[in-house]
Amino acid sequence: DAGVTQSPTHLIKTRGQHVTLRCSPISGHKSVSWYQQVLGQGPQFIFQYYEKEERGRGNFPDRFSARQFPNYSSELNVNALLLGDSALYLCASSSLRTAYEQYFGPGTRLTVT
Amino acid sequence: EDQVTQSPEALRLQEGESSSLNCSYTVSGLRGLFWYRQDPGKGPEFLFTLYSAGEEKEKERLKATLTKKESFLHITAPKPEDSATYLCAVQAGSNYQLIWGAGTKLIIKP
Repeated sequence: DAGVTQSPTHLIKTRGQHVTLRCSPISGHKSVSWYQQVLGQGPQFIFQYYEKEERGRGNFPDRFSARQFPNYSSELNVNALLLGDSALYLCASSSLRTAYEQYFGPGTRLTVT
Repeated sequence: EDQVTQSPEALRLQEGESSSLNCSYTVSGLRGLFWYRQDPGKGPEFLFTLYSAGEEKEKERLKATLTKKESFLHITAPKPEDSATYLCAVQAGSNYQLIWGAGTKLIIKP
């Protein structure tokens, strides 16, 4: 079975630009969560979606937005990029049966210059 | 405020030298505690879920235990391939998000 997939794997953007990151969950998983991880720290929660509805939002500015599609894949959008947005962006999926066990994708490394 | 603290920040061991990593938490209404392994530049890999004090889980050289205030990840006779950052996270109350520790970087020298 395919695990969680994310695209792109690496991305370099300039301050002020916009970025879209994509995630496909494990087949059968209906919940997707997004995390930001900077070097040396644990992941920081950004969003969780379940059945296309936002179920939770972390302490991130409105420049960050996300959505989930009917096939349960998801996009994370970040507007007006700042240098501090440089990080590894992780997507995790989970099933209703094991709702809190989250399985992560390989991440997207975003560098803002 | 819900909080998760991991110690030590880094741990260097010789191959075969057993040790333990600590994850202490202060949350209201623990629903579950999770251990993950993360290799550099990759996403965390799920290891264990613990739900209640006294519970234990094992996988190969790893054993996770849980009390009302902390969890331990015991590693027995580690090998160099066990080198990674080990992350602990908790889920509490009705909040769906996981609260993460900063991780313990484990280095096993051959």
